[in-house]
Amino acid sequence: GAVVSQHPSWVICKSGTSVKIECRSLDFQATTMFWYRQFPKQSLMLMATSNEGSKATYEQGVEKDKFLINHASLTLSTLTVTSAHPEDSSFYICSARRISGGLLGYTFGSGTRLTVV
Amino acid sequence: DAKTTQPTSMDCAEGRAANLPCNHSTISGNEYVYWYRQIHSQGPQYIIHGLKNNETNEMASLIITEDRKSSTLILPHATLRDTAVYYCIAHGSSNTGKLIFGQGTTLQVKP
Repeated sequence: GAVVSQHPSWVICKSGTSVKIECRSLDFQATTMFWYRQFPKQSLMLMATSNEGSKATYEQGVEKDKFLINHASLTLSTLTVTSAHPEDSSFYICSARRISGGLLGYTFGSGTRLTVV
Repeated sequence: DAKTTQPTSMDCAEGRAANLPCNHSTISGNEYVYWYRQIHSQGPQYIIHGLKNNETNEMASLIITEDRKSSTLILPHATLRDTAVYYCIAHGSSNTGKLIFGQGTTLQVKP
């Protein structure tokens, strides 16, 4: 079955530093990847949509200069949290949509727990 | 995507059937009903989806009312490992491709 690998699974960083999170589709090509953020006891909130080779589309209220998304290939998207602050601490989840998957084409990564101290 | 409404939380005894309702009264004709679940600190996991007919797979059954305004996810023999947040999403192929999650139902399976 389709597998999405997300790395790292958890990371602790100092305030002011940047953190990169990788999302890889292991056995399929993904036309589109989505990035979500989830705060404790809340639902997943869509942050941005990225298509291979083009700029990401950010949801309203999400700072594109703070959350840099790169989708350089059909199997890899990265999210970089720049100049991280404690309020950026959250659970970040990626999802990859398969080219040929139709309505079943969404597979989620296992998430990255970011703690900014 | 059409808005969906689910109860905030439900309890179920281990070994019994868990019936999770979802209201999607404004669903359009081309929108499917998807169910995902999220076990604590993991990514969402696909469970099942349907358009009009009832569906069953190795994980669950999906019952969709004839008018398609609501549906019920059934876990026939709930186990402790089924404790999770269950999300019902109405989504169509003509949409932007985004999967938007509501608040979901927190199912607690108790021994």
